[in-house]
Amino acid sequence: AQSVTQPDIHITVSEGASLELRCNYSYGATPYLFWYVQSPGQGLQLLLKYFSGDTLVQGIKGFEAEFKRSQSSFNLRKPSVHWSDAAEYFCAVGVTNQAGTALIFGKGTTLSVSS
Amino acid sequence: DSGVTQTPKHLITATGQRVTLRCSPRSGDLSVYWYQQSLDQGLQFLIQYYNGEERAKGNILERFSAQQFPDLHSELNLSSLELGDSALYFCASSAGGNYGYTFGSGTRLTVV
Repeated sequence: AQSVTQPDIHITVSEGASLELRCNYSYGATPYLFWYVQSPGQGLQLLLKYFSGDTLVQGIKGFEAEFKRSQSSFNLRKPSVHWSDAAEYFCAVGVTNQAGTALIFGKGTTLSVSS
Repeated sequence: DSGVTQTPKHLITATGQRVTLRCSPRSGDLSVYWYQQSLDQGLQFLIQYYNGEERAKGNILERFSAQQFPDLHSELNLSSLELGDSALYFCASSAGGNYGYTFGSGTRLTVV
């Protein structure tokens, strides 16, 4: 069965420091992978997605993620974190049919940014 | 504004009651998905509709049902509500396949 594991429940990073959020997936075929961000009381915003091709994916807000098939990972990175990046981050794997893609989410990682 | 509209934004109801959550997809999107976000279970896929037909089912309880109407809006019906059904319910829409996927801002359901 498809699943996503985000090993870190909560991470605190200093403003200006680099960030890496881990994500491991389990999926039998070539995965469609996503990272979403959710600010308190808000909906989900797509940061980036991987469908195929270049394994390093660029997203919005300066985020990037690297797909590593051998490690079943899709870690999210940002070189310099801003206080406004404090939020909850969700990794997801897409299960696709002709009608669309249902997402299987990880439990999320809460990012706190210290000054 | 994501283009996906969910109403109501907040709902408070008592145990045993039935509620209906509504979702209007982004213009042109044929697929609608429902997700539940709770502290216990995290974000879980419930059900998908495409052009009026059910296409995929996730962890949806038998007390819950959904439908998609000819104008493509969708409703999620939750019945015999329990305290544990308190959660944020998200709707998302897409054009199908692996096209873009847009979430609404959610309906927060509180069962008391």
